[in-house]
Amino acid sequence: QQPVQSPQAVILREGEDAVINCSSSKALYSVHWYRQKHGEAPVFLMILLKGGEQKGHDKISASFNEKKQQSSLYLTASQLSYSGTYFCGTRGYSSASKIIFGSGTRLSIRP
Amino acid sequence: GAGVSQSPSNKVTEKGKDVELRCDPISGHTALYWYRQSLGQGLEFLIYFQGNSAPDKSGLPSDRFSAERTGGSVSTLTIQRTQQEDSAVYLCASSITDMNYGYTFGSGTRLTVV
Repeated sequence: QQPVQSPQAVILREGEDAVINCSSSKALYSVHWYRQKHGEAPVFLMILLKGGEQKGHDKISASFNEKKQQSSLYLTASQLSYSGTYFCGTRGYSSASKIIFGSGTRLSIRP
Repeated sequence: GAGVSQSPSNKVTEKGKDVELRCDPISGHTALYWYRQSLGQGLEFLIYFQGNSAPDKSGLPSDRFSAERTGGSVSTLTIQRTQQEDSAVYLCASSITDMNYGYTFGSGTRLTVV
């Protein structure tokens, strides 16, 4: 079952913050986040494994609420380099062998 | 190698022809995945290999699609009798194990069926 991402697209000015949400209708074992720039391969950002877990990477952080089957990606003080499409990928317990990706959130940062 | 290598990077083929796409994962990565990405779309799971276990083929869209992984390393995705709807970027990814690590993606093969 494909996770649902929101919003589908967001436009920010440099320095603004953004939140991207990912939700699933099934119980989740883990959530992955990736960023893909135009014409390039997706790049791994982080994985969240436990309920309530939070992680950070520079000014990009994420949370995972296992009980709500939701994850959120937080981009703080956005930089031009943050532009791209962000995908969440979820692993369920019944199909733990593979990640199913959401449809993506396109983030555009303006100077 | 240093990264996941895919070849060819671009492939134009005539409708009805067979194509083979190759993926060379990072050395030591036991898990290998194939995904497909149509223009402006998300990542569609195709097939997954883990060590010597039977592959998870649940994402293959039709019996025209098949894949193998030889010696636990290089993988080949074969599409027989290609159709125009097969046009997409085919991405290969590998990871250390299949559970708690992120994927490293290759640059993909852009397949165009004319």
